[in-house]
Amino acid sequence: EPEVTQTPSHQVTQMGQEVILRCVPISNHLYFYWYRQILGQKVEFLVSFYNNEISEKSEIFDDQFSVERPDGSNFTLKIRSTKLEDSAMYFCASSPGPGYTGELFFGEGSRLTVL
Amino acid sequence: DQQVKQNSPSLSVQEGRISILNCDYTNSMFDYFLWYKKYPAEGPTFLISISSIKDKNEDGRFTVFLNKSAKHLSLHIVPSQPGDSAVYFCAASLTGTASKLTFGTGTRLQVTL
Repeated sequence: EPEVTQTPSHQVTQMGQEVILRCVPISNHLYFYWYRQILGQKVEFLVSFYNNEISEKSEIFDDQFSVERPDGSNFTLKIRSTKLEDSAMYFCASSPGPGYTGELFFGEGSRLTVL
Repeated sequence: DQQVKQNSPSLSVQEGRISILNCDYTNSMFDYFLWYKKYPAEGPTFLISISSIKDKNEDGRFTVFLNKSAKHLSLHIVPSQPGDSAVYFCAASLTGTASKLTFGTGTRLQVTL
């Protein structure tokens, strides 16, 4: 069964460092998303991406965050200068495209720990 | 911003019995609702969804009920199995599709033998 894959599974970084989290969405999907879950809290929407541009972003997704689809398969989330409060589980998700009424398909997550 | 609320952080049910997980929402513009199950260190896994034009959707042991006037939905699992032990999140969307989802805080279900 096709799945969304994410790397790394766990990354530890120092405050102020840049981090790139990588995702390979399901191959024929056109919409891509990043969500995050701070420990003990709910899963929160960060950004959606379609047709090589951001379609929507939340208040959390400030100038420190960026997303990119550098090639035909990868979808990345970059945090330019990490803060302690960026420590969270980051989930990538994808869906087939406009008009699809099913679910989002989530990856297993990348745990980011900022020290 | 608590647009989607799950007021019970945990629930314990005996194997074979019914599990009922509840979810309330405040935004009447939500028109699509989903339930996800999540195991530790894994991503959310889709269970079942319901459009606002329906009041019930059933898939095997899982049934979701939607009461729009009360802004309330519930997930029924019958019969509950030990493998159902996980955290359950309800989520809602404004677009009729599972695009930008607003999640609840989750309910940890434990199914005991």
